Amino acid sequence: GESVGLHLPTLSVQEGDNSIINCAYSNSASDYFIWYKQESGKGPQFIIDIRSNMDKRQGQRVTVLLNKTVKHLSLQIAATQPGDSAVYFCAAYSGGGADGLTFGKGTHLIIQP
Amino acid sequence: DAGITQSPRHKVTETGTPVTLRCHQTENHRYMYWYRQDPGHGLRLIHYSYGVKDTDKGEVSDGYSVSRSKTEDFLLTLESATSSQTSVYFCAISGGVDTGELFFGEGSRLTVL
Repeated sequence: GESVGLHLPTLSVQEGDNSIINCAYSNSASDYFIWYKQESGKGPQFIIDIRSNMDKRQGQRVTVLLNKTVKHLSLQIAATQPGDSAVYFCAAYSGGGADGLTFGKGTHLIIQP
Repeated sequence: DAGITQSPRHKVTETGTPVTLRCHQTENHRYMYWYRQDPGHGLRLIHYSYGVKDTDKGEVSDGYSVSRSKTEDFLLTLESATSSQTSVYFCAISGGVDTGELFFGEGSRLTVL
């Protein structure tokens, strides 16, 4: 099966700096990847996704990079703001229906003033 | 925000008692899911539904049952709660099963004593 893991359980950054959260996956058949943001006491919220035929995708202040060779993806947040404080986790989809979506454990992003 | 409501939001119960968690959506999405979230684990799929009366098991379905009698409602039942089922439960919906863009509810925190 698939395993999805984040490199750091906690990441602390200064307000205004860029944040980079990394994620690794194990199944080379995974072809669709998603980043979620979860604020304290709330449900996860979709941020951005990327399919395996792309290596970069940009959203508003966020960029996801995919390196299929080393099975790694990252989420970059530009000009980090206090509202970005949350747990971020990646998910990988390897097909086969609902069972094919595997979530990572999460990195807690802490914003220092 | 996607129209997803979970109830109850918090529940404390005793081992051996039955518990039902309810998920209600106003988005008319075909797919509905129940996940549990525990420290040290990513979100894990319990059961999912792909239509009225159509359900299937996920990764951690033992001890749980589900029912979907209407498009908008998806019930998760613990027939006889155990302490290992203490967790935060999230309902999610999506327009398709091969999409990682899930919309989550706010969660239901269950404590089994």
